[in-house]
Amino acid sequence: ILNVEQSPQSLHVQEGDSTNFTCSFPSSNFYALHWYRWETAKSPEALFVMTLNGDEKKKGRISATLNTKEGYSYLYIKGSQPEDSATYLCAFISWGTGFQKLVFGTGTRLLVSP
Amino acid sequence: ETGVTQTPRHLVMGMTNKKSLKCEQHLGHNAMYWYKQSAKKPLELMFVYSLEERVENNSVPSRFSPECPNSSHLFLHLHTLQPEDSALYLCASSQGTGPFYEQYFGPGTRLTVT
Repeated sequence: ILNVEQSPQSLHVQEGDSTNFTCSFPSSNFYALHWYRWETAKSPEALFVMTLNGDEKKKGRISATLNTKEGYSYLYIKGSQPEDSATYLCAFISWGTGFQKLVFGTGTRLLVSP
Repeated sequence: ETGVTQTPRHLVMGMTNKKSLKCEQHLGHNAMYWYKQSAKKPLELMFVYSLEERVENNSVPSRFSPECPNSSHLFLHLHTLQPEDSALYLCASSQGTGPFYEQYFGPGTRLTVT
C-alpha cells in the first residue's frame, strides 16, 4: 500500500512570513508528483507537476523542489499573504500504473493571519 | 471556475434511495475521475474513465455505479448506500491519463446518507 505523508498537518503564520511544508512518498517506482492547492469551499487547483529528481518549479511566490532518491518534496511560500490560506495537497504516481492513479496525502492546512 | 461543474452540491439521501451525481467538463479533456473524501482521510480515487472507457475501478463497492456517456459527462449512480458513504465526492478531468497531466477538479457534492 502506497503511503504519502505530509507535514505539518496544519500551520498558522503571520502575513509576510515565509513557510514551507513537506511531502514524503515511496522512493521506489517514482513516476510523478503533483501539488494542489485547495481553498475552502472551492475546487482543488493544480500548482505543479514534478517529474525529475532535482526539479524545481516556481509560480509567483510559491515554489517546490523534488528529491526522488530520498522520497520527498518541499513546497515553499515566500512572504505569505492571507489569500494563501488553503490546504496544500501532494499526490504521488508510481511507475507501472499505466494511467493517472494519484495517491494523495492528507494535506497541510495553512492559515495566514493579517 | 475550473471548467468542471458538479450537481447537486449537497445531497441528503436515505439508505434505500437511488440518486445520481453529475459531472460535466467544458475543457475538451479525454479523462475523467471520481474521488471520495471522507472526514480526516485523504482524497481517494474511485473510478477513472479514458475516452469513455472505464480503466480503473479502485475496489469500490457495487452500490456505486459510474457512467460516462461521452467525454464531457460523468455520472455516479448511488443505491442502497450506507451511512459510512457520507463524504465529499469530487469529479476531475485531465487532458489525458498520462502522469504529467494536471487534473482539474469540480467543487464536489457533499453527500449525507441517513
